[in-house]
Amino acid sequence: EIVLTQSPGTLSLSPGERVTLSCRASQSVSSSYLAWYQLKPGQAPRLLVYGVSTRATGIPDRFSGSGFGTDFTLTISRLEPEDFAVYYCQQYGSSPPAWTFGQGTKVEIK
Amino acid sequence: EVQLLESGGDLIQPGGSLRLSCAASGFTFSHYAMTWVRQVPGRGLEWVSLITGSGDSTYYTESVKGRFTISRDNFKNTLYLQMNGLSAEDTAVYYCVKGTVGAVAGDCWGQGTLVTVSS
Repeated sequence: EIVLTQSPGTLSLSPGERVTLSCRASQSVSSSYLAWYQLKPGQAPRLLVYGVSTRATGIPDRFSGSGFGTDFTLTISRLEPEDFAVYYCQQYGSSPPAWTFGQGTKVEIK
Repeated sequence: EVQLLESGGDLIQPGGSLRLSCAASGFTFSHYAMTWVRQVPGRGLEWVSLITGSGDSTYYTESVKGRFTISRDNFKNTLYLQMNGLSAEDTAVYYCVKGTVGAVAGDCWGQGTLVTVSS
């Protein structure tokens, strides 16, 4: 079973800053199978990026994903007030099908 | 517009059973795998189960195998999760999630329904 480790646990930042979130896998992950989500209290989770770098429908281009193998990154080029949330990475395992999530990174207002 | 509406969450005693439902609309339900994902209050996300579009194949995380059953009714556009032998560790918000093509991620999530297992 692949374990995803996200870092840091919490980031304290100001609007307008650039954010880089890390997701490290215990084994190599196919580039098709890594996604990122945003969770806010009281709201349905939202898919941001899938296939490492493909933005989901309606996601602003300030969000970008990158990485390969075991190291993946979600970057927010310029934090907007609505971006303060918890972010999770997720990988898909195919044999048998299963999803694994990282433990999350909280982006909070400084 | 894709919509997923969960229901059935409740306060239930340890050892009890509960069935969650998820009414789907805005897409061709039978064409997509569906999953259940849960979040323990204050903690992270945990994948629970997946069912293929046809309903022919189902998959579960180890901790719920033999206790939970995922199913779907493609005529009613509804996803289900039958939960038996509930314990405090199953207390969580349960989300219904529509899979992307290939079910490698979830591109639409419901608002969630809270299951609390407590005496």
